[in-house]
Amino acid sequence: GQNIDQPTEMTATEGAIVQINCTYQTSGFNGLFWYQQHAGEAPTFLSYNVLDGLEEKGRFSSFLSRSKGYSYLLLKELQMKDSASYLCAVSDSNYQLIWGAGTKLIIKP
Amino acid sequence: GAVVSQHPSWVICKSGTSVKIECRSLDFQATTMFWYRQFPKQSLMLMATSNEGSKATYEQGVEKDKFLINHASLTLSTLTVTSAHPEDSSFYICSARWDRGHQPQHFGDGTRLSIL
Repeated sequence: GQNIDQPTEMTATEGAIVQINCTYQTSGFNGLFWYQQHAGEAPTFLSYNVLDGLEEKGRFSSFLSRSKGYSYLLLKELQMKDSASYLCAVSDSNYQLIWGAGTKLIIKP
Repeated sequence: GAVVSQHPSWVICKSGTSVKIECRSLDFQATTMFWYRQFPKQSLMLMATSNEGSKATYEQGVEKDKFLINHASLTLSTLTVTSAHPEDSSFYICSARWDRGHQPQHFGDGTRLSIL
């Protein structure tokens, strides 16, 4: 079957760095997406990785290792507004998105 | 760019009413549109995938006659919840994508549906 695993909840301190991991097992792979979802709102697109390596976008970076079926989202200089759920999703061989359950990130002052 | 507009944002109505939700891609042509449902503190659940001009593909367990989807153009898809009941109360979110899976899905703001 197809499976995406990510931690349910993480806590970090304002100004610090946090890494949210995602492992996946899917039938085919056409890229991995990270989305941010604030409570009561729709998800917003953060990043897309299809090749191995690190993609950096300001305070957010996303890493992919296809051989390990592994990705992480790295958030630097954490701000209170970064408190949200972070969703990992993989595009499978049919270009269907397989969604993880999301990681709720709590930022403390 | 890549703006998706979803309307209405909130709906409160009586049991038995049919509710129509619109999803529009404002600045791109959406090859594919998706409809999701999300219950409080739970993950996104894909309900159906629709391509312009063809019938929607529904996920297992989603009733086609209950949730009618029309994707009449490359910029508009509608979801109609027919004869809604309290258990249909949920957060419904649409997303749209141009081309195939290399492109991200862009989400509308969602519709909060409350059936009394």
